[in-house]
Amino acid sequence: NAGVTQTPKFQVLKTGQSMTLQCAQDMNHEYMSWYRQDPGMGLRLIHYSVGAGITDQGEVPNGYNVSRSTTEDFPLRLLSAAPSQTSVYFCASSPWSGQGNSPLHFGNGTRLTVT
Amino acid sequence: GQNIDQPTEMTATEGAIVQINCTYQTSGFNGLFWYQQHAGEAPTFLSYNVLDGLEEKGRFSSFLSRSKGYSYLLLKELQMKDSASYLCAVNEEAGTALIFGKGTTLSVSS
Repeated sequence: NAGVTQTPKFQVLKTGQSMTLQCAQDMNHEYMSWYRQDPGMGLRLIHYSVGAGITDQGEVPNGYNVSRSTTEDFPLRLLSAAPSQTSVYFCASSPWSGQGNSPLHFGNGTRLTVT
Repeated sequence: GQNIDQPTEMTATEGAIVQINCTYQTSGFNGLFWYQQHAGEAPTFLSYNVLDGLEEKGRFSSFLSRSKGYSYLLLKELQMKDSASYLCAVNEEAGTALIFGKGTTLSVSS
């Protein structure tokens, strides 16, 4: 049981490049989400999904796309990387109870630098 | 709009008790979470409150007052390993995502 797995752990991109951050969970969790964490800003929600085929925007969705074709996977796509997207990205999942009392399980993060 | 406030930094000594406050103003309320995050690591779940009152888990306790939009995390018998960031997060509504405060960095010294 690996929990939430994020790849890669580190990535350097040039401005304008695109890439996909991978996130997979093996706990059969319905709910998955992506956050970015910047110094002094805390964790900010990018996109989330309450089940396969369903996604919604968070606080800072611009410049990012997501899809949820399976329960297990929730990739985050950077369309055209910008230096402002330099951050640590966390994927998190939880069993969806509909009552909001399910704690999030976080992956170990992807540290992205855009030059 | 949403607003979740926590102190930026706190310091304490080993063996002491520290209280980390969190105030929130959100359009709805469906529960409040506390997470711990050590430097360079992922956040881990500490506690959950949805009803008013105190929840105790070993050395850690969390309190909620919904009418005041206020919660605190109480850490007793502090240890060096408790040096970390503590994140307060609110679920506004079932079916939506958690919104986090900016976190409180706690430094424990001997």
